[in-house]
Amino acid sequence: GAVVSQHPSRVICKSGTSVKIECRSLDFQATTMFWYRQFPKQSLMLMATSNEGSKATYEQGVEKDKFLINHASLTLSTLTVTSAHPEDSSFYICSARPRRDTDTQYFGPGTRLTVL
Amino acid sequence: AQKVTQAQTEISVVEKEDVTLDCVYETRDTTYYLFWYKQPPSGELVFLIRRNSFDEQNEISGRYSWNFQKSTSSFNFTITASQVVDSAVYFCALSDISGNTPLVFGKGTRLSVIA
Repeated sequence: GAVVSQHPSRVICKSGTSVKIECRSLDFQATTMFWYRQFPKQSLMLMATSNEGSKATYEQGVEKDKFLINHASLTLSTLTVTSAHPEDSSFYICSARPRRDTDTQYFGPGTRLTVL
Repeated sequence: AQKVTQAQTEISVVEKEDVTLDCVYETRDTTYYLFWYKQPPSGELVFLIRRNSFDEQNEISGRYSWNFQKSTSSFNFTITASQVVDSAVYFCALSDISGNTPLVFGKGTRLSVIA
């Protein structure tokens, strides 16, 4: 099946720093990528929808200036957590929708962010 | 609006027991997809099944089976002869057919299989 990667898989940073998470579709082109956040023992909550070449659409309550999303190519979307704080510590998961199979989404393995 | 309810927060069973995980959904769409994912401690989501709302036939895959009841808006998941490796959090999810919208997840059911 299609493969989606995320990098890094785990990151620990100090409060106030910015962290970039990459989501790549390795063997297909993705017109749309979704970013989810999962707090411990909770479900996945959608943060934003990222379409190639256009601005991301953020869910209510998600600060677009804090969570910068860039979908610069059909195989890469990045999520940058700016000025991270301990409450941003979470598991971030992306999913990608192939251009040729639009009713399917493939999930990345997730990135665990810990902000000290 | 779409909504997925997994009423069972945690379930513990002894190895070799059968266990059913419940999923009830709400949607105004006449066509939609239903999913089940497994999330082991590593965190990575493992795709188990996608079911089109047109297809109400039950499905069996090895020790896994799914019971889709459109009349009660339920899509329950049964593991037969459970094993310790089945211990994980299981999520039921819903999406529309177009693929333009993200998945809506239930809160998950944590399954612990005890040897």
